[in-house]
Amino acid sequence: DARVTQTPRHKVTEMGQEVTMRCQPILGHNTVFWYRQTMMQGLELLAYFRNRAPLDDSGMPKDRFSAEMPDATLATLKIQPSEPRDSAVYFCASAPSGANVLTFGAGSRLTVL
Amino acid sequence: AQSVTQLGSHVSVSEGALVLLRCNYSSSVPPYLFWYVQYPNQGLQLLLKYTSAATLVKGINGFEAEFKKSETSFHLTKPSAHMSDAAEYFCAINYSGGGADGLTFGKGTHLIIQP
Repeated sequence: DARVTQTPRHKVTEMGQEVTMRCQPILGHNTVFWYRQTMMQGLELLAYFRNRAPLDDSGMPKDRFSAEMPDATLATLKIQPSEPRDSAVYFCASAPSGANVLTFGAGSRLTVL
Repeated sequence: AQSVTQLGSHVSVSEGALVLLRCNYSSSVPPYLFWYVQYPNQGLQLLLKYTSAATLVKGINGFEAEFKKSETSFHLTKPSAHMSDAAEYFCAINYSGGGADGLTFGKGTHLIIQP
């Protein structure tokens, strides 16, 4: 059963620390998304990639967030420095070429103290 | 711009009763519409999708949704609620031809099943 794998599942860190979240998309899926879920804002699209190229990161705070795809099997979302307002669940999702059905990972729950 | 609005952040029904979760959309182009379900501490799972074929769409776990253009709605229903249906439900929108350009989600509706 193909799935999107995210690590870590849970992360507690102190304000100012660097946080890196990783995602392994489903093999063969060429589009990868990062979403953030909070109680107040719901699900927000932060950024997405197609064939490893960033297509849209307008939803991402540029000063502290960065997203990359070093290769087709790994996407990363980095926050430096982290702030308490970054506390949320971060979801990675992937989709095959031309399709608009997203498969989500289980999420990375981030708590910044 | 596209958007979806889910009416009711919480819906409570008795086990065995009809489930109705409301979603209205706004789109300047023919939309693709989706319902996703999220169980506690899990990611989102696709329930069903509308992509301009049949207006009545059947999904997993006995859920179905009907696309009504005149009402700009895509409400989710299930004839008889089960305790295992307790979860968060999200309506989402993309547009025909948009490919995998990301979905815009509603705020979610928390479904509570009373025994």
